[in-house]
Amino acid sequence: QVQLQESGPGLVKPSETLSLTCTVSGGSISSYYWSWIRQPPGKGLEWIGYIYYSGSTNYNPSLKSRVTISVDTSKNQFSLKLSSVTAADTAVYYCARFANYYDSSGYSPYWYFDLWGRGTLVTVSS
Amino acid sequence: QSALTQPASVSGSPGQSITISCTGTSSDVGGYNYVSWYQQHPGKAPKLMIYEVSNRPSGVPDRFSGSKSGNTASLTISGLQAEDEADYYCSSYTSSSTQVFGGGTKLTVL
Repeated sequence: QVQLQESGPGLVKPSETLSLTCTVSGGSISSYYWSWIRQPPGKGLEWIGYIYYSGSTNYNPSLKSRVTISVDTSKNQFSLKLSSVTAADTAVYYCARFANYYDSSGYSPYWYFDLWGRGTLVTVSS
Repeated sequence: QSALTQPASVSGSPGQSITISCTGTSSDVGGYNYVSWYQQHPGKAPKLMIYEVSNRPSGVPDRFSGSKSGNTASLTISGLQAEDEADYYCSSYTSSSTQVFGGGTKLTVL
């Protein structure tokens, strides 16, 4: 079955750039929308943004100035970069997939997350 | 975008029913039938429980149901069981083609 696995440094210094990768295994990255979501310790979920396999993106307005999500279809991976991090960016970062459907217009997303990675904790500290 | 509003906590005894509300605006919850609910146990990734307001994925017990009225969506769990104790989050599509989550509700089974 399709699985998602987040990877990247667990510790990032303040003012630096957080970089994470999500690897899709057991299936293709094509035809789906993919997202990053984070959860600070003891707090709720926050949607960061999404990318379509073709490369189109949309971001949370509150993070838009610092976020870049990219995709590498040849590696079946998509990535997150968050710049100028502070302690407030300390969180468990999840990658997730939007469900989709196919019709005469092609593939379109259902706007819910049907598959999640296990998450990876990123701590921002000097 | 502002987070959707959920109660911080709810509780119920085994066998009882509880309802968790999720209030947004006409730009998210009220404007689209794209509300979903997720269950999260400690240290685990969220799990989809309800999609598109009231649909249950395969494998989710029919004790879980969802509904919506105006700008407020609701998750109802009937016949509470000990394993239902978890955090629950609602999520909605928005008019900006983004997603927004609720603040989360901690369900305690007494």
